[in-house]
Amino acid sequence: DAKTTQPNSMESNEEEPVHLPCNHSTISGTDYIHWYRQLPSQGPEYVIHGLTSNVNNRMASLAIAEDRKSSTLILHRATLRDAAVYYCILNSNSGYALNFGKGTSLLVTP
Amino acid sequence: GAGVSQSPSNKVTEKGKDVELRCDPISGHTALYWYRQSLGQGLEFLIYFQGNSAPDKSGLPSDRFSAERTGGSVSTLTIQRTQQEDSAVYLCASSLTGWGWDEQYFGPGTRLTVT
Repeated sequence: DAKTTQPNSMESNEEEPVHLPCNHSTISGTDYIHWYRQLPSQGPEYVIHGLTSNVNNRMASLAIAEDRKSSTLILHRATLRDAAVYYCILNSNSGYALNFGKGTSLLVTP
Repeated sequence: GAGVSQSPSNKVTEKGKDVELRCDPISGHTALYWYRQSLGQGLEFLIYFQGNSAPDKSGLPSDRFSAERTGGSVSTLTIQRTQQEDSAVYLCASSLTGWGWDEQYFGPGTRLTVT
């Protein structure tokens, strides 16, 4: 499986934008880029996914580099509720088992 | 609508006993997954069910672990002769199609403690 690299932790102030980076230099052409997050004591929660183009949804935006070797999850205005571990995961079109890795622990301070 | 539900939410058992963990996926979802999350191993895949196809059991850590999915809906994960290293949070997820681009919806998990 293609691997992803994320910073162990990041910190943000409440109501400010947050940019969470992910490197995936060995991504293949059929790999989708998924982001999930896990709030304390809860199961993982889907955030967003994309293939080649940037994506927006009600939770976040996903910016994908032109060569697809990196991506950035953007939370436009961080809230305290956004404090979680964020996982960047590659999954091919025919794949199904998500490989979560260690993720980035996001701390949001008031 | 209703999400993925799991029961029990917590289970404490003695070493050597058998346990059954239950998962109710979202209605209409054809794919069902089991994962477990432990302090030492992070979040790891266990087993995958897709429609009527044979399940992918490649992630099951030993033959003490088994799972079934009845009627394409409810799933049960069974651990026989539990060991202390089985202590973890067991998470169930479901997705509409099972394709790699599809989002997986997770339940709250069952916290298993083996004493």
